[in-house]
Amino acid sequence: GESVGLHLPTLSVQEGDNSIINCAYSNSASDYFIWYKQESGKGPQFIIDIRSNMDKRQGQRVTVLLNKTVKHLSLQIAATQPGDSAVYFCAENSGGSNYKLTFGKGTLLTVNP
Amino acid sequence: NAGVTQTPKFQVLKTGQSMTLQCAQDMNHNSMYWYRQDPGMGLRLIYYSASEGTTDKGEVPNGYNVSRLNKREFSLRLESAAPSQTSVYFCASGSTGGRSPLHFGNGTRLTVT
Repeated sequence: GESVGLHLPTLSVQEGDNSIINCAYSNSASDYFIWYKQESGKGPQFIIDIRSNMDKRQGQRVTVLLNKTVKHLSLQIAATQPGDSAVYFCAENSGGSNYKLTFGKGTLLTVNP
Repeated sequence: NAGVTQTPKFQVLKTGQSMTLQCAQDMNHNSMYWYRQDPGMGLRLIYYSASEGTTDKGEVPNGYNVSRLNKREFSLRLESAAPSQTSVYFCASGSTGGRSPLHFGNGTRLTVT
């Protein structure tokens, strides 16, 4: 989703539903992407990553999909739980320097019991 | 393993005061990073160190200096704090630069009055 001013895009789901969080990236040369979860008062926590030579990668209850044609990344969380409530960020390595990750502004996921 | 440890957790400074934020990692990572996080802006890279003995500017380096003291420690210094530097500061480390997950500390919450 797109960030507007100081307000994060939000997604509200019911416990047990599947969640899909979207991210548009800017650089067609980016070759590495990561999803992070950030709970209130804590640092970002790594969830899953994917390289540009892949379209899909699965982890435990999470799947990342990469569509390079439209420069779009998504994170799917299966059977969402209240503990999944957090802000989710995507990040990309934009090429050039090997050491820089550029972060999106985040999406707030709220899971209702 | 403690992972990435940041000190202090909270700090209040007056305009013009100086301070150093400390960061240490115990994962034997080569690269270390300092980010700041502001509402609506996501995480922005201040400085990074690709390996012991090297440092480079990120997206928002003005008003900051860094020191890579050894492989474990990477400090961030504010020489003359300004209200615009009120933010949450995160240190991170990674094993193979920008194409592997970064591991973050839990942040330093800095207020400059």
